[in-house]
Amino acid sequence: DAKTTQPTSMDCAEGRAANLPCNHSTISGNEYVYWYRQIHSQGPQYIIHGLKNNETNEMASLIITEDRKSSTLILPHATLRDTAVYYCIVSGNTPLVFGKGTRLSVIA
Amino acid sequence: DTAVSQTPKYLVTQMGNDKSIKCEQNLGHDTMYWYKQDSKKFLKIMFSYNNKELIINETVPNRFSPKSPDKAHLNLHINSLELGDSAVYFCASSQEGRAPEAFFGQGTRLTVV
Repeated sequence: DAKTTQPTSMDCAEGRAANLPCNHSTISGNEYVYWYRQIHSQGPQYIIHGLKNNETNEMASLIITEDRKSSTLILPHATLRDTAVYYCIVSGNTPLVFGKGTRLSVIA
Repeated sequence: DTAVSQTPKYLVTQMGNDKSIKCEQNLGHDTMYWYKQDSKKFLKIMFSYNNKELIINETVPNRFSPKSPDKAHLNLHINSLELGDSAVYFCASSQEGRAPEAFFGQGTRLTVV
């Protein structure tokens, strides 16, 4: 079973930042937070991951709270192509277990 | 070049038939997986496999069997197809020791009629 809780859906205006929250209050010390997204009819795509420090790459930023019980994925300038289901997953070195994710709709 | 490729992309077949879905990865990864995404869009792992170990999700019927001719391939064989097997099947791969950093194929939409 997934160990994370995410809102079912969110909307974001095109060009604005999309902030997707995730709760993972039972995360273990050796588990990382991973974010994937699935654009309609495509395979899931890796976005970013982190342990306890904030991380940034060309796609997004990941902010993890100090107690590691929650995190936020930030897409700084959302585009229509960012419309997708976003999955927050906690894992040590085990295969990905997907929850229901958050359906992000970017609106023009 | 496609990192993880699956064939066919679409597969329509009758109940009771036996079918296979092929998966190939050119990333040099050690571990490959099969996931099933049903009509409610839940993604569930079916198998993970490397040259040492096959781990089967206990909920997967034994009509499903993965076959790996070599490290770059993990094919999914399904016997006696049932209507409930209709779903999108995704293949994925990862490096040993980095299981959560997986690359996924584009999926095979299986429809059983």
